[in-house]
Amino acid sequence: KAGVTQTPRYLIKTRGQQVTLSCSPISGHRSVSWYQQTPGQGLQFLFEYFSETQRNKGNFPGRFSGRQFSNSRSEMNVSTLELGDSALYLCASSLAVSLNTEAFFGQGTRLTVV
Amino acid sequence: AQSVTQLDSQVPVFEEAPVELRCNYSSSVSVYLFWYVQYPNQGLQLLLKYLSGSTLVKGINGFEAEFNKSQTSFHLRKPSVHISDTAEYFCAVKGGNKLVFGAGTILRVKS
Repeated sequence: KAGVTQTPRYLIKTRGQQVTLSCSPISGHRSVSWYQQTPGQGLQFLFEYFSETQRNKGNFPGRFSGRQFSNSRSEMNVSTLELGDSALYLCASSLAVSLNTEAFFGQGTRLTVV
Repeated sequence: AQSVTQLDSQVPVFEEAPVELRCNYSSSVSVYLFWYVQYPNQGLQLLLKYLSGSTLVKGINGFEAEFNKSQTSFHLRKPSVHISDTAEYFCAVKGGNKLVFGAGTILRVKS
């Protein structure tokens, strides 16, 4: 079956703009999590959605937001982009929200802010 | 709170040699541990996981890891590496329904 699909793969934006990234989870998976990966900070958790509700949130400013639709697809939005937001954004899907379920990652969206 | 320490940022090794990538964790609750691999410009691929049961876990591509509760470690091993194993490897602990990752170890396999 198809894996986790993230679109677009690459994105270049200007400081101050906003951006929306999309993630389609594996069919049947209802939990979607987002992570930011940078050389300096590594992999950091942004938020998790399950059944259209945010269940968990990391330590990121309010400029970072997300949502999940009834078909489990998720989007994350970053407003008022800063240079430091340049990163690889990874989406992961899981069957459910529980500790012993594994997460499957997409290929990521590489965001460059200039 | 959970945390993960990967003790080596880079590990160079010759092809067909054995390798061990070290991972120590800290967790105040039940432990669920994972190893992921990331190839350049790619996402993360799950290598193996420890959820419960046998402390020796076998994964894909010939990798295995041993969960050691007393030493709070989950080291990744492969008896004979290939050039194609060159990648970055991440150890992670699941806590609070999120994955907490280590800083990663770059495995460089030389011919």
